[in-house]
Amino acid sequence: AQTVTQSQPEMSVQEAETVTLSCTYDTSESDYYLFWYKQPPSRQMILVIRQEAYKQQNATENRFSVNFQKAAKSFSLKISDSQLGDAAMYFCAYSEAGTALIFGKGTTLSVSS
Amino acid sequence: DVKVTQSSRYLVKRTGEKVFLECVQDMDHENMFWYRQDPGLGLRLIYFSYDVKMKEKGDIPEGYSVSREKKERFSLILESASTNQTSMYLCASSLATDYEQYFGPGTRLTVT
Repeated sequence: AQTVTQSQPEMSVQEAETVTLSCTYDTSESDYYLFWYKQPPSRQMILVIRQEAYKQQNATENRFSVNFQKAAKSFSLKISDSQLGDAAMYFCAYSEAGTALIFGKGTTLSVSS
Repeated sequence: DVKVTQSSRYLVKRTGEKVFLECVQDMDHENMFWYRQDPGLGLRLIYFSYDVKMKEKGDIPEGYSVSREKKERFSLILESASTNQTSMYLCASSLATDYEQYFGPGTRLTVT
């Protein structure tokens, strides 16, 4: 069965600094997607970034980028120029076509000024 | 924009009550999902549905059932609520051909 592991329950960063959240996964499939979701205190899950497994190029969305290492089954999220509004719980998730997401246990990110 | 709504943000029920959690999406998505979120455990799939009247068990279906009579609505039913079902419940939907899921705001259920 596919699994997703986030080894950092909590992380902290100062405003304007860069932080990297780690995620590893296990699968025998070749076609899948990986996601990072953000859940602020409002509890609304917000998609931050997605990566298609068949694409070698790492996805980027403004200050958010990923380091996708398919052979190592690693999918880390880098947040540059951190802002107070980035404080939230971040979930790494895995999905195959038409199936449910498999989530990691989450990393709580705190941002200090 | 895709909109997924859940009937309640907060709900308090007594042990043994029958509880209905409703989820509605407005984008004609084929797939709908119910997840449960607990601290330190992340989100776990309870049930999902890929079409009207179709359902599949997820990782933790015990104590729950679901109903999907219309494409836009997916209900989660706790037949006899227990204290260990106190949790956050999140609904999501997606197109059958897409990987991305859209989430509702969640229902925090407390069973006393």
